[in-house]
Amino acid sequence: DTEVTQTPKHLVMGMTNKKSLKCEQHMGHRAMYWYKQKAKKPPELMFVYSYEKLSINESVPSRFSPECPNSSLLNLHLHALQPEDSALYLCASSRSLAGVIQETQYFGPGTRLLVL
Amino acid sequence: ILNVEQSPQSLHVQEGDSTNFTCSFPSSNFYALHWYRWETAKSPEALFVMTLNGDEKKKGRISATLNTKEGYSYLYIKGSQPEDSATYLCAPRRGDKIIFGKGTRLHILP
Repeated sequence: DTEVTQTPKHLVMGMTNKKSLKCEQHMGHRAMYWYKQKAKKPPELMFVYSYEKLSINESVPSRFSPECPNSSLLNLHLHALQPEDSALYLCASSRSLAGVIQETQYFGPGTRLLVL
Repeated sequence: ILNVEQSPQSLHVQEGDSTNFTCSFPSSNFYALHWYRWETAKSPEALFVMTLNGDEKKKGRISATLNTKEGYSYLYIKGSQPEDSATYLCAPRRGDKIIFGKGTRLHILP
C-alpha cells in the first residue's frame, strides 16, 4: 500500500465551526507533514511530525491544531478559521526526516477547504 | 528565506516535441533537490531526488540534471505526450525543510 489518504475531500465550514482533517498512511513512514496550498502558489509547509512528535511548526496560527495519535494517522483540527484560510490542505509522509531517499514525500490528494 | 524560482511559469508544447524548464535556488547550504509532478486532481508524485553536482537522473522520457555550484536544475521531457501535462515542482531541501517552487505548468497540445 503506497497510498496516502485524506478525508474529507471537500469541506465547507463557518468561522465558528470546529472540524478536523484526517490523513492516513500504512507505508510504515515515520514522518508526516501538513501543507497549505493556495491557488497559483506552491505548497507551504505548516507542520512536520517525526516519530509522532511535532518537529516543525512553521509559525502557524493556533486556530490550526495538529495531532499525531499514532504513526499512521495525522489530524489537523480546525477552529475559528477565517475566510483567508480557504485552501487545499495536503498531507504527505516520508520514511523519516533523515537521509535523502528517506525524505522523499508521498502526498495525499488533499482536502479542499472553504471557510465562509 | 530560500528563494526557489522556476521558469517558465507556464509552457505549451506540441505533442511529440521535446522541452525543458528550469529551477534555480541558492547554492549555499545545498543538501538535496526533489522534483515532483502534480497532475490536476491528483496527488503530487515524486520524480527524482538529486544530491551531487553533475547528477543526472532519468525516468523514461523524463530526465533531470543538477548544478549545485551555480544553483540550478533542468528538467527535460523528450517526445512530449498528453499524459505529461502537469505542474512540475522543484523542491530544494534547507535544513529539515523542503521548500517548493511555484512550479512550471506544462500543457501538451495535440
